[in-house]
Order: sequence, then C-alpha cells, then structure tokens
Amino acid sequence: QQPVQSPQAVILREGEDAVINCSSSKALYSVHWYRQKHGEAPVFLMILLKGGEQKGHDKISASFNEKKQQSSLYLTASQLSYSGTYFCGTEVYGNAGNMLTFGGGTRLMVKP
Amino acid sequence: ETGVTQTPRHLVMGMTNKKSLKCEQHLGHNAMYWYKQSAKKPLELMFVYSLEERVENNSVPSRFSPECPNSSHLFLHLHTLQPEDSALYLCASSPGRKNIQYFGAGTRLSVL
Repeated sequence: QQPVQSPQAVILREGEDAVINCSSSKALYSVHWYRQKHGEAPVFLMILLKGGEQKGHDKISASFNEKKQQSSLYLTASQLSYSGTYFCGTEVYGNAGNMLTFGGGTRLMVKP
Repeated sequence: ETGVTQTPRHLVMGMTNKKSLKCEQHLGHNAMYWYKQSAKKPLELMFVYSLEERVENNSVPSRFSPECPNSSHLFLHLHTLQPEDSALYLCASSPGRKNIQYFGAGTRLSVL
C-alpha cells in the first residue's frame, strides 16, 4: 500500500520554510526522498534507515519516526531551486527487497 | 545527468503499433526498474530486474513486455496499447540493498 503524503501542494515565498509529511500504514524499514523538477528525472535526496534518524544536507533535512511509521522532510529558508515535486518512497519489513512504494508527491512552488 | 539514459524521449503510437522503449545505465548497478508516471497519480512500479532476473511483475497487463538482456540494458516492448497507457515511463537502476534509485529522464508516451 502506498504511503500518504501531505500536503499535496504548497506555495512559498523565497526564504520561507516548509514541511512535507509521509505516512505509512505498515512498519517501515526505510524512507527515501526524491525531488522531480518539471520535465526531468526524479533525483535522490536522502535515505533514512533507522527509527528516529535525522539527516540533512544544505537546508533540506528529514526525520524518520519508526514508531509512528512516518517521515517528514524539512525545507528551510527555501530557494527558487527547491521548486519541484517531492516524493517519498518506502520500504517495508518483509519486503523481498529492491522495491520502493512511492507516495503521490507534494508539488512545491517557491516564488521570488 | 544521472547515468541512466532513456530513448526515445517522446513517442506517439497508434493502438495497433508495436514499439520498444530502451533504457541504458552506465553506473554498474545490478537492479533495474520500469515505472509508470501518470498525471496526478503516484509512481507505479511495473517491473524489477535484479541481476538480469525479473523479481516483480506487479500485475502489469501483458501488452507490456520487459526484457533485460544484460545488467546495463532494459527494454519495454509495447503492443496493442490503450489510450489510458499514455504516461511518462521512467527507468531506474540501483546498486544494491540500500536501493537508492537513479532515474532516467523518461519517455513520454502518447497512445492515439
């Protein structure tokens, strides 16, 4: 079953912050985050493997709460280049491996 | 440039045509994937190949036929498609268990 992302869309001004959430009904082994700009390939941002883990680079970070079966992506002081659609992908326990199930995506638009 | 190349980038075909999509990865990965991306829908996993063997089918209609002749190449053979098959078809590869996926830019398919 696919994870649920929220919100579906968000519009920001440059410099504002945003949070994108990803929730699963199943116990998660890992959560991946990807960004896709219009007309381009989805690009890997980060992977979270352990409950409670937090990761980040630049001003984009993420947390993974294994107990709540959810992850959040934090975009701080957003830049125009952050615009795109963000997808979470989840691996669940018991999975045979090599398979991610993706959420419906969150469309982020950053305006000057 | 993600190291995963898809051709053609755009394809228009009639319902009676036969065509093939090609994917090539130059990353030395051992798993390759086909995804379907439709408007306002999540990324849908169609096929997974690991070490050139198919490991997931995901109930894809038989009018889609994958082929993986070696670990660097993946094809999706199309025949007697329906208009609802119009979508962006994405190929991805991954190096192994951590399953970080590298996507191609996709083939935009229109079925008339």
